[in-house]
Amino acid sequence: GAVVSQHPSWVICKSGTSVKIECRSLDFQATTMFWYRQFPKQSLMLMATSNEGSKATYEQGVEKDKFLINHASLTLSTLTVTSAHPEDSSFYICSARFPDTQYFGPGTRLTVL
Amino acid sequence: DAKTTQPPSMDCAEGRAANLPCNHSTISGNEYVYWYRQIHSQGPQYIIHGLKNNETNEMASLIITEDRKSSTLILPHATLRDTAVYYCIVRVAYNQGGKLIFGQGTELSVKP
Repeated sequence: GAVVSQHPSWVICKSGTSVKIECRSLDFQATTMFWYRQFPKQSLMLMATSNEGSKATYEQGVEKDKFLINHASLTLSTLTVTSAHPEDSSFYICSARFPDTQYFGPGTRLTVL
Repeated sequence: DAKTTQPPSMDCAEGRAANLPCNHSTISGNEYVYWYRQIHSQGPQYIIHGLKNNETNEMASLIITEDRKSSTLILPHATLRDTAVYYCIVRVAYNQGGKLIFGQGTELSVKP
């Protein structure tokens, strides 16, 4: 139980384009989901907390207009990286809260050329 | 949320117990201790958590000292597949604003 999926698992895009990453809780409903980013040889960094039906809460230093988060249902949250640039290349990982533990997706590797 | 301190790396022989320490000397009474691990290029995997009492599940055991200032994660019979970065995190309950903030963790290498 408590399985979280992400799609796509990897994506390559051109600089200036937007990329959408989906995060789904497969066997439970999640009122709260979280988005993290991880650069090579570094730890995970929390980007934002996504609550179903309301606006996401972003961590300090994370641009909300660049990283658009939508949590439209109890099983789906999306992260859109707008106008991506090479410095946005990273490993993006979502997690879902159930009920007081977070379960993580497998991650999405984004490469911006 | 309180800060944790973990050794950057450890080695363990396959089949032996792996004991991973974590110091959280500033932990508050309402903070839980969580352990996750991350195998290379994968999302973190939940292992175990506890508040005061020792806990055991099918993956590991969590030993929390009586003063709660430190804890140890025990993998009873380590296998090569247990090679990963192990994160010890303390946080309050979500309804109190708790967040899972990752430190640098301990890189555990299980060797044949």
